[in-house]
Amino acid sequence: ETGVTQTPRHLVMGMTNKKSLKCEQHLGHNAMYWYKQSAKKPLELMFVYNFKEQTENNSVPSRFSPECPNSSHLFLHLHTLQPEDSALYLCASTSGVEYTDTQYFGPGTRLTVL
Amino acid sequence: DQQVKQNSPSLSVQEGRISILNCDYTNSMFDYFLWYKKYPAEGPTFLISISSIKDKNEDGRFTVFLNKSAKHLSLHIVPSQPGDSAVYFCAASAVYQGGSEKLVFGKGTKLTVNP
Repeated sequence: ETGVTQTPRHLVMGMTNKKSLKCEQHLGHNAMYWYKQSAKKPLELMFVYNFKEQTENNSVPSRFSPECPNSSHLFLHLHTLQPEDSALYLCASTSGVEYTDTQYFGPGTRLTVL
Repeated sequence: DQQVKQNSPSLSVQEGRISILNCDYTNSMFDYFLWYKKYPAEGPTFLISISSIKDKNEDGRFTVFLNKSAKHLSLHIVPSQPGDSAVYFCAASAVYQGGSEKLVFGKGTKLTVNP
């Protein structure tokens, strides 16, 4: 596989469930990102990891917990979510952390919280 | 506070004509601007970018114009093709105190090119 992949593509969960989103990049990049795309809202940056170290947490609630075990994999652990957390969650990667580097996005996970 | 605004949620043009997508920003710290294109069920893909030291950047059918005094940029697609139908996101980047960078996206404009 090439590029950035995300699994699952669709996820429906209850507010008491615990689930995880997975992102994998096959580009040899060193930085990975989680974004949230809500309907009729701008794309929101959630977390940034550079060389497996979290460099940015954009005031995201603690019910979202990222994990980056290596430069190729990024997880977003979800627990006790709210219905307003329903959105498209996009993962992206860049070779470095400068935003002038082109961001390569995955297809996203469509999350619905009931 | 929305720092990057795309005030037109949708735009419809005829094949072969020019498509003009607009974007306004409020933060004078932004110094690099990008356009992304997103098809349904896919992640955004990078289209074209421009640095604040330039006022125009061209790549094939796509040209981005930057007017720093008006804090406005636009994406021109000439000639428009049905395959250009997608949602276009404007994004702006700034380096803040301490060296951290932020990338802020607009809400997107859905472009439909009619055959």
